[in-house]
Amino acid sequence: RKEVEQDPGPFNVPEGATVAFNCTYSNSASQSFFWYRQDCRKEPKLLMSVYSSGNEDGRFTAQLNRASQYISLLIRDSKLSDSATYLCVVNMISDSWGKLQFGAGTQVVVTP
Amino acid sequence: DAGVIQSPRHEVTEMGQEVTLRCKPISGHDYLFWYRQTMMRGLELLIYFNNNVPIDDSGMPEDRFSAKMPNASFSTLKIQPSEPRDSAVYFCASTSWGAVNTEAFFGQGTRLTVV
Repeated sequence: RKEVEQDPGPFNVPEGATVAFNCTYSNSASQSFFWYRQDCRKEPKLLMSVYSSGNEDGRFTAQLNRASQYISLLIRDSKLSDSATYLCVVNMISDSWGKLQFGAGTQVVVTP
Repeated sequence: DAGVIQSPRHEVTEMGQEVTLRCKPISGHDYLFWYRQTMMRGLELLIYFNNNVPIDDSGMPEDRFSAKMPNASFSTLKIQPSEPRDSAVYFCASTSWGAVNTEAFFGQGTRLTVV
């Protein structure tokens, strides 16, 4: 089983619609969680950190469910510019501090 | 700051040749990561360093791969001999764990093609 798993998609989303997807992680001791965004042929960049209480940044909302070991990302009022691959990132710190583990990514395609 | 700098941006080499990828992390960052990205396997962590010391190299695929960090401002990833299946984008990232939720910054990557 992979340490961080994501639905690869693609999620085809009409402009203005809402899309949500999850990421599961295997290590229950993990303490830091992030969503990164990667555009085609570019490097990953931080979209937002995920806090225990859930957090929102504009149209983006991230949630953490420790009991079920997953994090989620919801995008409201999707824009064409939201088309990208969204990478779930977990800091696997139970046996080695600082080991950032990435999921394979969820592709989102926003259509006009 | 110029960010994480990787070189070269593109590398095309013949099978069997030695390839060296270079990375300059952001000044002051004490963690450095090497990742490999392919369509099939996504983003894989190869190795990471803390204060120039390799902490976890369990992701290095085989003995043909080696990484060094001789000082805080420079790291190399070497493949010798290279094989076509090594073709991928190799990313270097750096961060500083001053706080729990600290961002890792990525370089623009080196696109390696082994023919």
